[in-house]
Amino acid sequence: GDSVTQMEGPVTLSEEAFLTINCTYTATGYPSLFWYVQYPGEGLQLLLKATKADDKGSNKGFEATYRKETTSFHLEKGSVQVSDSAVYFCALRYSGGGADGLTFGKGTHLIIQP
Amino acid sequence: GAVVSQHPSWVICKSGTSVKIECRSLDFQATTMFWYRQFPKQSLMLMATSNEGSKATYEQGVEKDKFLINHASLTLSTLTVTSAHPEDSSFYICSATRQAYEQFFGPGTRLTVL
Repeated sequence: GDSVTQMEGPVTLSEEAFLTINCTYTATGYPSLFWYVQYPGEGLQLLLKATKADDKGSNKGFEATYRKETTSFHLEKGSVQVSDSAVYFCALRYSGGGADGLTFGKGTHLIIQP
Repeated sequence: GAVVSQHPSWVICKSGTSVKIECRSLDFQATTMFWYRQFPKQSLMLMATSNEGSKATYEQGVEKDKFLINHASLTLSTLTVTSAHPEDSSFYICSATRQAYEQFFGPGTRLTVL
């Protein structure tokens, strides 16, 4: 079955550091890929997405590129802020139309220290 | 816009009782709602997909008689955990789709069964 694997946390960085959170997936078809962020006490929010190979999703300084050859969708940010502290989830979904549930990774807790 | 609420945010109950969790789309009509379950330090696992006015579609391994889902309107879906036991203790999260693509998540409900 489909699965998503992301790096274990917590990941602790200093403010303005470069961030990479690795995400790889296993799927039988050609899924869409997502990164969601969950701030303390809040629901998951869509951070960015990519629907086909070589697409780059970006939002709020975060980027991720859909790499079909390596089945990866790593999340990056050039300079993190304390406000980026949250749990980040990588997810996939088949974009065959209609509303299908998401398959999530375990989440990576990111802690940014001032 | 696109706000999803859940009620209650947390609940503690005795073993053998039933618990109902509500999921509401506050400012849009949701064609489809999803229910997920999250164990500590684990990923969100899709439990079921529900469309307004029709029976829910359950994922493999999810007991239909244990987790009753009712999607009576375009803004409300309920999950009832029947005859709850300690192993049902978990974090339950719903999401709703306004279009066929993006899901909007509720903040989750923490269920503890004593």
